[in-house]
Formats: sequence, C-alpha cells, structure tokens
Amino acid sequence: GNSVTQMEGPVTLSEEAFLTINCTYTATGYPSLFWYVQYPGEGLQLLLKATKADDKGSNKGFEATYRKETTSFHLEKGSVQVSDSAVYFCALSDPFRNTGNQFYFGTGTSLTVIP
Amino acid sequence: KAGVTQTPRYLIKTRGQQVTLSCSPISGHRSVSWYQQTPGQGLQFLFEYFSETQRNKGNFPGRFSGRQFSNSRSEMNVSTLELGDSALYLCASSWGGRTVGDTQYFGPGTRLTVL
Repeated sequence: GNSVTQMEGPVTLSEEAFLTINCTYTATGYPSLFWYVQYPGEGLQLLLKATKADDKGSNKGFEATYRKETTSFHLEKGSVQVSDSAVYFCALSDPFRNTGNQFYFGTGTSLTVIP
Repeated sequence: KAGVTQTPRYLIKTRGQQVTLSCSPISGHRSVSWYQQTPGQGLQFLFEYFSETQRNKGNFPGRFSGRQFSNSRSEMNVSTLELGDSALYLCASSWGGRTVGDTQYFGPGTRLTVL
C-alpha cells in the first residue's frame, strides 16, 4: 500500500542554517509527491510538488527532488528564516492506482527557527 | 479565485450533542476530502467525496458521516460527540479526476471543542 515516513521532530535551527527534512515513501505505482506547510492556527498550504522521477519542486527557497531509486523526497532550504517556523508535511497521491484522489500524509515535522 | 472556505471556524459543543461542519471547495473542484487533526494522532483521513459519492473512507466510527451536494459543497456530521472528537477538522478540495499531480488545497479548518 501507500505510506509516507517523515523524520521525527521537533527540529530547532538557528536563522540562516541549512534545513533538511527527510521523507521516504512506499507506493505501488508512480505517485506524485508533495510538501505542505502549516503555520499555527491555519490549514495546510501547498509548498511544492513533483510528479515524476528526478523532478525537482521548488518554492520560496525550498527544494525537493523526487528520487525513485531511494523512494525519497527530502525537503531542503539553504538558509532558514524565523518566518519558516511551521509544521511541514510530506504527502503522496496516486490517482491512477487508487480509487479516487486520496492523499497519504506523513506525521509532520515541526520546525522552529531561532534568531 | 476564492480558496476553500470552512464554516464555522470555531465550535464548542458538549458530549452527546451532534455537529455539522461545512466546506465550500474551490470553484471547479469536484473532490472534497476531510481530515481530523489532533496533537496525538496527527492528520487522519476521514473520507473523500467526488460528484456526490463517497469514494474513499478512513478508519473512523459510523458517528462520522458526510455528504456532498451537486454544487460540490460538502458537509460532515459527527453525532453523539465524545471528548476525543475535539480536534481541528480540515477540508481539502481538488479537481478529483485521474490527473497526475492533482493537488489538494486546504481550508483554514474548523476548531471543534467538546466539553
């Protein structure tokens, strides 16, 4: 079946540090992969996505590359800011193999950036 | 284009009562998914509706139900509320067809507190 595994948090970094949040997936087909971000008191916002192997999604300085050989989609940012403090969710969907558009989410990784 | 809207944003109920939450998807989207988010269990999938039909269902008791109207608006109902139903309920909409990279867009959520 489909599943997503994220690194456990919480993660605390100093401003301008390098960020990596690991995400690996299990899927029977060729899923699309997503990163969402949730700020306190809000819903989830799409951060970036990739739909096929070796695709790189990027947005607001965040990047993630779809690695089929390692079934991974790690999130990276070269220099984090205090405003990046949030919870990050990795997710996959595989509408061609599933009945419908069900998304599978990881457990979320809380990031706190300190000045 | 207007985003996903959820009403009400906050609700306080007592045990044994029932509650109905509403979600209006992005215009043109036909799929609506519901999630329960709690600190202990994280993000859990409740169900997905597409063209007024339930397409997927998570592992929740029958007290949790939903429906979708012809305009794609969706409601979820929780009957006989329990303390453990206190959570943030998130709705997400997507086009819902078998399309690579079809993205779920989330509303701000309804915060339900059961006393």
